[in-house]
Amino acid sequence: AQSVTQLGSHVSVSEGALVLLRCNYSSSVPPYLFWYVQYPNQGLQLLLKYTSAATLVKGINGFEAEFKKSETSFHLTKPSAHMSDAAEYFCAVSAMEYGNKLVFGAGTILRVKS
Amino acid sequence: KAGVTQTPRYLIKTRGQQVTLSCSPISGHRSVSWYQQTPGQGLQFLFEYFSETQRNKGNFPGRFSGRQFSNSRSEMNVSTLELGDSALYLCASRPGGLEPPTEAFFGQGTRLTVV
Repeated sequence: AQSVTQLGSHVSVSEGALVLLRCNYSSSVPPYLFWYVQYPNQGLQLLLKYTSAATLVKGINGFEAEFKKSETSFHLTKPSAHMSDAAEYFCAVSAMEYGNKLVFGAGTILRVKS
Repeated sequence: KAGVTQTPRYLIKTRGQQVTLSCSPISGHRSVSWYQQTPGQGLQFLFEYFSETQRNKGNFPGRFSGRQFSNSRSEMNVSTLELGDSALYLCASRPGGLEPPTEAFFGQGTRLTVV
């Protein structure tokens, strides 16, 4: 069973527009959720994490995500896209049912148009 | 604090050869995980080591193996290389405890090309 689903393998926005990257998870226990960003030929950098505290999580570079248990979602948003946001974004879940390892979604490539 | 260091950054190998990749985690971190990243399959979990013991294992053939040393440094080995093993191999370190699960810190990866 797919544990993390990212809707949209490619998302394109104009500079200054809202960024919305979607992530849905499946877990029978409260999960820990993460968003990572990857630039070409680089490793993954943590943007933000949800660890059962506040449901609205603020991360680096102006990104934030909201945990919605009823929708099993953890969508990533940024009010105003910048050219430097162009990268691939990964949602990940960690839970006891997965041995607490990080399980990643397929990734979403964000393109920012000038 | 130094980050996760992976060596080498790039490798070209021939089919049938074997390869060893190295990862030095963040100082104090005891858990090291390995991932394979390809355009077609995305990020696939290989295995995780904690205190020199394999704690988790993904669905990869036995040609893929790893180990962890007492200083937490880890190596992964791929024997009898196939063209399909061409990928970016990423190492990630975590402090180590299972509860709560913490975020992982990634190295820049080793780009392996099999020809």
